[in-house]
Amino acid sequence: NAGVTQTPKFQVLKTGQSMTLQCAQDMNHNSMYWYRQDPGMGLRLIYYSASEGTTDKGEVPNGYNVSRLNKREFSLRLESAAPSQTSVYFCASSSHTFGSGTRLTVV
Amino acid sequence: GDSVTQMEGPVTLSEEAFLTINCTYTATGYPSLFWYVQYPGEGLQLLLKATKADDKGSNKGFEATYRKETTSFHLEKGSVQVSDSAVYFCALRENSGGYQKVTFGIGTKLQVIP
Repeated sequence: NAGVTQTPKFQVLKTGQSMTLQCAQDMNHNSMYWYRQDPGMGLRLIYYSASEGTTDKGEVPNGYNVSRLNKREFSLRLESAAPSQTSVYFCASSSHTFGSGTRLTVV
Repeated sequence: GDSVTQMEGPVTLSEEAFLTINCTYTATGYPSLFWYVQYPGEGLQLLLKATKADDKGSNKGFEATYRKETTSFHLEKGSVQVSDSAVYFCALRENSGGYQKVTFGIGTKLQVIP
């Protein structure tokens, strides 16, 4: 089925650990986005990629890096996780079709 | 900058009651407006949209009209069901530097009780 696939769905990290959230879309869209969702704050843009080979910072990029591996895939990396990065992370494509989210807890 | 304002809730209604969730916005240009719905444990799904002033978006019994004069896009439904319990996000979208910038409200939680 067409859409946006995110992995993993759940993750618990210790402070200082690193991990990569994966996102893939099969709709041949140019733009892809990473958001975080926190209570009382809605969705905030972390990074986006307007096209293959380009990435740019969004509203809250600190502590994150991204890679647009090809047109389909856009990954989000936490190099040294902090408790403030406990959140639900969503990937989206050009049409703002959203993945089902990754619930990350940093302890 | 752009912003979207909506109440956080929760809004609690009895089944078959009338629903209104208010949404107002500020924008520098002429945005498109959206309502998204998020069911527990899931991602956001597009519910309806309107791309210009006076357009009415509708889907699954929900409606919203793009009111440029009052910068509003209120969501309404005549008779809610328990299955409508979810979080509803108002959002605006503008083209910005080669990508579509989307600004979300904080989300309004709706609880419908039988």
